[in-house]
Amino acid sequence: GAGVSQSPSNKVTEKGKDVELRCDPISGHTALYWYRQSLGQGLEFLIYFQGNSAPDKSGLPSDRFSAERTGGSVSTLTIQRTQQEDSAVYLCASGTGGAGELFFGEGSRLTVL
Amino acid sequence: AQKITQTQPGMFVQEKEAVTLDCTYDTSDPSYGLFWYKQPSSGEMIFLIYQGSYDQQNATEGRYSLNFQKARKSANLVISASQLGDSAMYFCATPNGNNRLAFGKGNQVVVIP
Repeated sequence: GAGVSQSPSNKVTEKGKDVELRCDPISGHTALYWYRQSLGQGLEFLIYFQGNSAPDKSGLPSDRFSAERTGGSVSTLTIQRTQQEDSAVYLCASGTGGAGELFFGEGSRLTVL
Repeated sequence: AQKITQTQPGMFVQEKEAVTLDCTYDTSDPSYGLFWYKQPSSGEMIFLIYQGSYDQQNATEGRYSLNFQKARKSANLVISASQLGDSAMYFCATPNGNNRLAFGKGNQVVVIP
């Protein structure tokens, strides 16, 4: 499809396990964002990639969280040693850069037992 | 840092009626923009409307319009002729430096027939 694609859509894991969440942005979009949305809350910024620039990691809540973007396209968000408080929907968005409109995927719902 | 405030409790609106969703912002940037996104139960964030701080006229997109009052730092969303499919969470957002969108906590709207 032409939109932002995220996988898995749902992930249930045990506390302490590592998880990887994938985002496939819209082709040609240079900007890619990861946000986290806890139940009933707004969106919490995690990390931002723009072209070949160093990513803005200022929103990552701990060193258990990391993300990479390979070839300026697909991005993977990795959470190591998951904790119950990591349970949330992780949303990926892409855009053409700058402060313009973002196009969001449907999110990956993570549940840590 | 920019801050978005959405404090209305969940709202019920009769089908075909109009509804206004409040958003106030706090920014020190001389130039900024306000975005509204819709999040239905599917979880995807859908862009609705945007207005830049220097735009002279309030933005409109179909049934959506922005009631932008810079002096009050207010950017309310008006949905006219509500439809059942408008039931969703609505988020106001503004760039928070470095081209990151900062979101409010959202307004819940339920349209009743």
